[in-house]
Amino acid sequence: QKEVEQNSGPLSVPEGAIASLNCTYSDRGSQSFFWYRQYSGKSPELIMSIYSNGDKEDGRFTAQLNKASQYVSLLIRDSQPSDSATYLCAVISNSGYALNFGKGTSLLVTP
Amino acid sequence: DTGVSQNPRHKITKRGQNVTFRCDPISEHNRLYWYRQTLGQGPEFLTYFQNEAQLEKSRLLSDRFSAERPKGSFSTLEIQRTEQGDSAMYLCASRDREYQYFGPGTRLTVT
Repeated sequence: QKEVEQNSGPLSVPEGAIASLNCTYSDRGSQSFFWYRQYSGKSPELIMSIYSNGDKEDGRFTAQLNKASQYVSLLIRDSQPSDSATYLCAVISNSGYALNFGKGTSLLVTP
Repeated sequence: DTGVSQNPRHKITKRGQNVTFRCDPISEHNRLYWYRQTLGQGPEFLTYFQNEAQLEKSRLLSDRFSAERPKGSFSTLEIQRTEQGDSAMYLCASRDREYQYFGPGTRLTVT
């Protein structure tokens, strides 16, 4: 079982809608979770982190964490075509150093 | 530009040749990571440095791979006797207290 799982998509949403991206992880002891965005041919860029159960908001982005269910999600409100990218979920590894990434979910926001 | 820089950005080499990539982290970051990313996958951890000390290596890092960070500043990743399976994007990241920031990557094509 891969440590971090994401649906590869593509997830298609109309402009202005809420996009919901989901991620599950296998290590119950994981404490730190991150979302990165990656445009085609570019490197990952950090969106936000979350460490505690519940919601964390940053602009149009909301990260949600449920440690009991081992589930992390990212909501993007008022989705724009410029949000079309691959969204990577990442979890700090057991060693505490590296990030373990999921395969990413491809998001397409249609005008 | 004070972000992470990587050189070269693209490298085409023939199977069996050696290649070396360079990463210059954000100047005040003492933690540096190398990852490899293939199409449709998330980045996979290769190795981690804190200052000049290499503290963790993934089992993905075969004997043909070596990384150095001699003065705790820039880092190099060398691949000896390249194979077609080494074709990938090689990403470097540096970390402040909380977040890893990625460079633009070096895309390696082995023919």
